[in-house]
Amino acid sequence: KAGVTQTPRYLIKTRGQQVTLSCSPISGHRSVSWYQQTPGQGLQFLFEYFSETQRNKGNFPGRFSGRQFSNSRSEMNVSTLELGDSALYLCASSLELAGIDTQYFGPGTRLTVL
Amino acid sequence: GENVEQHPSTLSVQEGDSAVIKCTYSDSASNYFPWYKQELGKRPQLIIDIRSNVGEKKDQRIAVTLNKTAKHFSLHITETQPEDSAVYFCAAVNTGNQFYFGTGTSLTVIP
Repeated sequence: KAGVTQTPRYLIKTRGQQVTLSCSPISGHRSVSWYQQTPGQGLQFLFEYFSETQRNKGNFPGRFSGRQFSNSRSEMNVSTLELGDSALYLCASSLELAGIDTQYFGPGTRLTVL
Repeated sequence: GENVEQHPSTLSVQEGDSAVIKCTYSDSASNYFPWYKQELGKRPQLIIDIRSNVGEKKDQRIAVTLNKTAKHFSLHITETQPEDSAVYFCAAVNTGNQFYFGTGTSLTVIP
């Protein structure tokens, strides 16, 4: 089975622009979570989508949004980029046939805001 | 919400020695505790996990222990090798399947 994939892998933007990142989960997985990873801050939870609905949300401003499509692929969008948004953005998918299930991570998208 | 604390933030050991990383959590509803290893420039990968009805789990050189009463769990790596050098993250997961990660431990194994 193919693993979680993310596109693009690298992105350079300037302040004020917006960006859309994409995540394709493992086939059959219904849950997709997004995380922001910065040095010293670990993995900060952004939001989770399950069956096209946002199920959980972290403490990020409204500039960060996401959605999930019927094929479970997910996108996250950041509007009005700030320098502090520079980070590695990871998505993770899980199957959740019954109850809690392990999350499997994608390779991440490295976003640099200039 | 859940709060996961992880210690130490950095750890250096000699090759062959053991390494122990500890995490505490606050939400008694958390019942799944995975550990991830992230090598430089790569994605986090699950290395071992434990559920709340189990006190200890072992897989070759790695083991995880869980103390639900004290709300802490630990990762033990024995006979460390240079390829064990990486950042390790613990997580506590609640019944809503929300993952709360620790801030990571950078492990360096010195040959």
